Amino acid sequence: GAGVSQSPRYKVAKRGQDVALRCDPISGHVSLFWYQQALGQGPEFLTYFQNEAQLDKSGLPSDRFFAERPEGSVSTLKIQRTQQEDSAVYLCASSLAHSTNEKLFFGSGTQLSVL
Amino acid sequence: AQTVTQSQPEMSVQEAETVTLSCTYDTSENNYYLFWYKQPPSRQMILVIRQEAYKQQNATENRFSVNFQKAAKSFSLKISDSQLGDTAMYFCAFMKTNFGNEKLTFGTGTRLTIIP
Repeated sequence: GAGVSQSPRYKVAKRGQDVALRCDPISGHVSLFWYQQALGQGPEFLTYFQNEAQLDKSGLPSDRFFAERPEGSVSTLKIQRTQQEDSAVYLCASSLAHSTNEKLFFGSGTQLSVL
Repeated sequence: AQTVTQSQPEMSVQEAETVTLSCTYDTSENNYYLFWYKQPPSRQMILVIRQEAYKQQNATENRFSVNFQKAAKSFSLKISDSQLGDTAMYFCAFMKTNFGNEKLTFGTGTRLTIIP
């Protein structure tokens, strides 16, 4: 595709349910990031992949959050036993290489609402 | 740890006028990058402009320019000849020059409205 694709665009979950959010980065992009954006706030870093390797997961808020990128392309962010405080927009971003000179491309995010 | 502060939650300006959005940051790093991102209702973050800290010259991109004051840790965005399509959330962001993990630290954003 032409850009970073995220699905679903909206997700409503009951408290305690597990959810899986998908990110399709631009083809060939090595670096992939997940960010969490709470209402009225700026995005906050969750985790970073270089190809299939998860090099930084320091931003994951709890062990209920898990991310994977098994083949170095599509990534999934999984949240187990969702809580109301997990309600946010989850943004995915990718770049061609692990370099500060490479432009970062963002998807349109998944808006998660936990009831 | 780095922090980014945007002290203007909302701003509005008449179409064709000039507006300046403020951003300050705190870091102990000497080399880093600063960014302004635009987030329209579609939620997709769009890069507006980028500044490398080791460059003294202020970055410009068409109607967008920055005033980078490294000693004061200030990084404001000026939008000239504002257009209706500039209406959006604007986020200031910081990135360490950490090879291999270029995560961004964002401010809380400024909601900019261009009035016809």
